[in-house]
Amino acid sequence: GENVEQHPSTLSVQEGDSAVIKCTYSDSASNYFPWYKQELGKRPQLIIDIRSNVGEKKDQRIAVTLNKTAKHFSLHITETQPEDSAVYFCAARGKTGNTPLVFGKGTRLSVIA
Amino acid sequence: GAVVSQHPSWVICKSGTSVKIECRSLDFQATTMFWYRQFPKQSLMLMATSNEGSKATYEQGVEKDKFLINHASLTLSTLTVTSAHPEDSSFYICSARETGGGNNEQFFGPGTRLTVL
Repeated sequence: GENVEQHPSTLSVQEGDSAVIKCTYSDSASNYFPWYKQELGKRPQLIIDIRSNVGEKKDQRIAVTLNKTAKHFSLHITETQPEDSAVYFCAARGKTGNTPLVFGKGTRLSVIA
Repeated sequence: GAVVSQHPSWVICKSGTSVKIECRSLDFQATTMFWYRQFPKQSLMLMATSNEGSKATYEQGVEKDKFLINHASLTLSTLTVTSAHPEDSSFYICSARETGGGNNEQFFGPGTRLTVL
């Protein structure tokens, strides 16, 4: 089955700096790669996703890049703000409709004002 | 976006009792729903895939007789934790995708925090 590795486990940045979180996946059949932000005690919230037919996607301060050959994808947050502080999870999933998302272990991001 | 609800949002029970958690897709139909468990400061771990009208598929290490899943309709899946013990205390989150939907997005419920005394 799919295995997703995520690094780093914790990340501290100064407000205004950029943050980068990296993930690798094992199943070459996976074709959907979402990123979630989770605040304490709440459900994961989708912040951006990318499909395998796209190499990069951007939404304001957030971008995701995908390298299918290397089987890795990354989240980039620019101009970080204190409210970006949370736990971020990457995930991967295969093609079929009943294939579940497999999550990375998460990255705790702290943005220091 | 589509909405998934869970009930209850939190529950405290005594060791040895059973607890049922409901997961509903409010504005879409979901042939398949997923149940995850999240321990403090850890990731979401898939427990089982719930299929409407058929048996659930459990992940390795998850006891099917302890975590009973019923997916009786296209909008409701239930997870029953039988004979709960303190080690079952966790945050349980369900998730669903719209049946036949072209969007890949998987929608999450708000979670149920279970505390077993």
